[in-house]
Amino acid sequence: DSGVTQTPKHLITATGQRVTLRCSPRSGDLSVYWYQQSLDQGLQFLIQYYNGEERAKGNILERFSAQQFPDLHSELNLSSLELGDSALYFCASSGRTGNPNTEAFFGQGTRLTVV
Amino acid sequence: AQSVAQPEDQVNVAEGNPLTVKCTYSVSGNPYLFWYVQYPNRGLQFLLKYITGDNLVKGSYGFEAEFNKSQTSFHLKKPSALVSDSALYFCAVQNSGYALNFGKGTSLLVTP
Repeated sequence: DSGVTQTPKHLITATGQRVTLRCSPRSGDLSVYWYQQSLDQGLQFLIQYYNGEERAKGNILERFSAQQFPDLHSELNLSSLELGDSALYFCASSGRTGNPNTEAFFGQGTRLTVV
Repeated sequence: AQSVAQPEDQVNVAEGNPLTVKCTYSVSGNPYLFWYVQYPNRGLQFLLKYITGDNLVKGSYGFEAEFNKSQTSFHLKKPSALVSDSALYFCAVQNSGYALNFGKGTSLLVTP
């Protein structure tokens, strides 16, 4: 168990809808990262938050947004969903020691299916 | 931009034989390199990392990786493969914002 909790594990929704994925990082970790894993794009970094502030953006679509709350949990919001958004979405956390070059711990992911 | 490449989609090895999963990197500055493993329907698990120091890095489950600066490589190795090592392996490089840029992954199949 990595200590990173993601909910829900599975999500099926229709095109055009909006969903929210939730992530609770490891206790004490300040950084939260969101990744998307799909067959055609592989594992792509979406966005990072550090202690409540956006730190870095990767290949995140404008229809997607995220936030990190004061208790350090994070949510990834996906809107106007398209079939191509079907993927496994991972959350990872790191930064407990303050050292940036530490490994990230991954949750088990949320499998999103858009129909 | 920091990137890694995994040239093999799949590696097949017999149980008990040594295994190597290849990774090459392209970075500006010092590379911070990682290996992760993904079992079916699971998240990624950290295996090992190279930040600085010894070129041979030892990690979890008997895996090790050799950092080679001249060849810009960071190959994952294990002296004796187990059937249970069959999984998807990802090489990654940490970018300037500390997120990871992953390779496309290599599927390792260890046959009895």
